[in-house]
Amino acid sequence: DTGVSQDPRHKITKRGQNVTFRCDPISEHNRLYWYRQTLGQGPEFLTYFQNEAQLEKSRLLSDRFSAERPKGSFSTLEIQRTEQGDSAMYLCASSQGTSLTQYFGPGTRLTVL
Amino acid sequence: GEDVEQSLFLSVREGDSSVINCTYTDSSSTYLYWYKQEPGAGLQLLTYIFSNMDMKQDQRLTVLLNKKDKHLSLRIADTQTGDSAIYFCAEKEDYNNNDMRFGAGTRLTVKP
Repeated sequence: DTGVSQDPRHKITKRGQNVTFRCDPISEHNRLYWYRQTLGQGPEFLTYFQNEAQLEKSRLLSDRFSAERPKGSFSTLEIQRTEQGDSAMYLCASSQGTSLTQYFGPGTRLTVL
Repeated sequence: GEDVEQSLFLSVREGDSSVINCTYTDSSSTYLYWYKQEPGAGLQLLTYIFSNMDMKQDQRLTVLLNKKDKHLSLRIADTQTGDSAIYFCAEKEDYNNNDMRFGAGTRLTVKP
């Protein structure tokens, strides 16, 4: 068990470009979460999957954001037409069933120029 | 809305105890967590406490919960330089609620 992994760790893009991030949860975990963390702030919840179903989305998740978890394992988060305000650390976490604890990955730091 | 608040900075000397405080506003918070984040790393779960508990101790860590005042604290005994990091308090309303709310984090600096 290598923990939650995220790829890439860093992404620099120009405004208007699309970016996609990947999260691989801990293998037996059926719940997967995406958070966004801006500088000097705590993480903010974006969305949540149970297996392949996206069950909850935050108001922070605008129409330019889409997340998928097609086979109930890894997940992708895509941001279309990136804006400078999208610059942040995007964190993924996973948990198993009845467990109350979420285990976080190292994050993908996005910089939009 | 519901808020979780923490002081932004704490500086202590190596060997002293550190106390990091957190207040929350949502009286229906059931689960309260402390996470540690080191530079360039993800969040590491340190400990959590249920709202029906007053205290939880785990080695050098002691969590105190005052539910009446909605105040949570994390005490680190014999603080070491390796404890320097940002500590986040987080709360979750109930088992089925997946929106975990975090404070802005307290940056702990441990001086030798």
